[in-house]
Amino acid sequence: AQKVTQAQTEISVVEKEDVTLDCVYETRDTTYYLFWYKQPPSGELVFLIRRNSFDEQNEISGRYSWNFQKSTSSFNFTITASQVVDSAVYFCALSSGGSNYKLTFGKGTLLTVNP
Amino acid sequence: EAQVTQNPRYLITVTGKKLTVTCSQNMNHEYMSWYRQDPGLGLRQIYYSMNVEVTDKGDVPEGYKVSRKEKRNFPLILESPSPNQTSLYFCASSLAISVAYEQYFGPGTRLTVT
Repeated sequence: AQKVTQAQTEISVVEKEDVTLDCVYETRDTTYYLFWYKQPPSGELVFLIRRNSFDEQNEISGRYSWNFQKSTSSFNFTITASQVVDSAVYFCALSSGGSNYKLTFGKGTLLTVNP
Repeated sequence: EAQVTQNPRYLITVTGKKLTVTCSQNMNHEYMSWYRQDPGLGLRQIYYSMNVEVTDKGDVPEGYKVSRKEKRNFPLILESPSPNQTSLYFCASSLAISVAYEQYFGPGTRLTVT
């Protein structure tokens, strides 16, 4: 069985602060993929990033960056200089062949960025 | 525009009245899936389909049925809805069963069963 834990239920920051969302995963598969999705107040799920288990390079996309560490089974997401539009629920998810490719989601972290 | 569509977007119904939530994708994706989202529980998979006529149970299949007669459509059927099926439902699709592909989600269907 696979599992994703997002220990932070809610985070509140002031605009322009940096914020890191934590994600810890469990899987027995050696090949797996990790994802982050954003769910803004409008409710849709927006794909942000995909990372496979063989690629531990950190990735940066504008104000977003992701830190993948297999040694600690973590895939953390950092938003630099947060903005009010970043307010959303963020989900970390895991997919592997051993679980029939379903996405196993964490319970999500509600990020509120205050002006 | 490449998208996953769901209908209806909102539905209020009564216990026991059969309903169908439609899902359609225009990206020629092989893999389709249904999830439900509940407060404090995140998203959980209900059913999935790896291709036409191939479906299987996810984590919470009880009370639901699906069919995949055409590649683009994957309806979710509640034969006898109950209040514990009140939830936000998402349909998703991806190019193939390979884990390399991200899943694209529909806009969601908010279902209330009274």
